[in-house]
Amino acid sequence: SQTIHQWPATLVQPVGSPLSLECTVEGTSNPNLYWYRQAAGRGLQLLFYSVGIGQISSEVPQNLSASRPQDRQFILSSKKLLLSDSGFYLCAWSVGLAAINEQFFGPGTRLTVL
Amino acid sequence: SQQGEEDPQALSIQEGENATMNCSYKTSINNLQWYRQNSGRGLVHLILIRSNEREKHSGRLRVTLDTSKKSSSLLITASRAADTASYFCATVGGSQGNLIFGKGTKLSVKP
Repeated sequence: SQTIHQWPATLVQPVGSPLSLECTVEGTSNPNLYWYRQAAGRGLQLLFYSVGIGQISSEVPQNLSASRPQDRQFILSSKKLLLSDSGFYLCAWSVGLAAINEQFFGPGTRLTVL
Repeated sequence: SQQGEEDPQALSIQEGENATMNCSYKTSINNLQWYRQNSGRGLVHLILIRSNEREKHSGRLRVTLDTSKKSSSLLITASRAADTASYFCATVGGSQGNLIFGKGTKLSVKP
């Protein structure tokens, strides 16, 4: 069966510090991978998605970047965090296009930037 | 760009009652998906309804789709306290045809 892991679960970082959130998927090959951010009381905003190793697409311009060094590993990074980067970050995967197939979400990382 | 929007934003009911949540969207779709999110957790896929389907059932869940009105509804029958969560609809949107989620309906079921 497939599982998706995210870590850390919670993170408190000062403004200007770097960020690295990791997501790994088990039990499937060549998944589409996604990073979302959810602000308090808001819906999900798609940040990045990847259809393969080294292939990253960004939905919105921002202070963050993503990388996919391995087939089932997706990393969200920042060189210098902003207060506005606070939120709940969710990683997800799908088989093929999420538009026609369901997405499977990780447990999320709660990031607080102070 | 916002595609699906849920209504109401919040809903509070008693255990045993039915809960109905609505979703409206803007552009034509291939399918519409409903997800559930418990507080502080990831989303869980509930049901996918295709554009050529009008109604779909899964346990106590019933989803309807009206493509002429660009709307969908999620009905939870005989609600339980454990159904307390936020419910999101998602449809295709954005520049690359990815899923776009609404802001969700926060459902509270009181025992």
